[in-house]
Amino acid sequence: GAVVSQHPSWVICKSGTSVKIECRSLDFQATTMFWYRQFPKQSLMLMATSNEGSKATYEQGVEKDKFLINHASLTLSTLTVTSAHPEDSSFYICSAGELYGYTFGSGTRLTVV
Amino acid sequence: AQSVTQLGSHVSVSEGALVLLRCNYSSSVPPYLFWYVQYPNQGLQLLLKYTTGATLVKGINGFEAEFKKSETSFHLTKPSAHMSDAAEYFCAVSDANAGKSTFGDGTTLTVKP
Repeated sequence: GAVVSQHPSWVICKSGTSVKIECRSLDFQATTMFWYRQFPKQSLMLMATSNEGSKATYEQGVEKDKFLINHASLTLSTLTVTSAHPEDSSFYICSAGELYGYTFGSGTRLTVV
Repeated sequence: AQSVTQLGSHVSVSEGALVLLRCNYSSSVPPYLFWYVQYPNQGLQLLLKYTTGATLVKGINGFEAEFKKSETSFHLTKPSAHMSDAAEYFCAVSDANAGKSTFGDGTTLTVKP
């Protein structure tokens, strides 16, 4: 089956710095990937749709300049949290696949101190 | 617009007992429905999905769910709970692209010995 790798699994960064999270499709090509955010004890909220070779599509209320998404190849999408603040601390999860066969990555726990 | 309501944020059952996790959805178009399981600090794993065809869907780990259009429901069941089933369960709905799903708030399943 489809395998999606997400890296790092967890990261701690200082307030004001930037953090990059990678999402890779290991055994298939993904023209579209999705980024979700999950606060503790809450559900997943779609942040943006990452499109290979074009700009990402952000959901309403998500700051484009803060959450930079780059989908430069058919197997890699990156989410960069810029100028991170403690309120950005969350669990970030990507998904990739096609039609009804989407697979989620293992997630990245971001803690901003 | 689509929405998902998971009735009961916490469900507790004894080992060997029936598991029933409730999910109701709202969708203006024929829905595609999913159940995912999430263990602490991990990504989501697909348990089962309904797209078209047979309304009773069987998934992994002995879980199954039945799509009932008249009741707009997609409840998840398992005849006999196992300790390893303790986790967070999410119901999700999408219209055509499963990567862009709307998730319920989740149900925490506790299994008592």
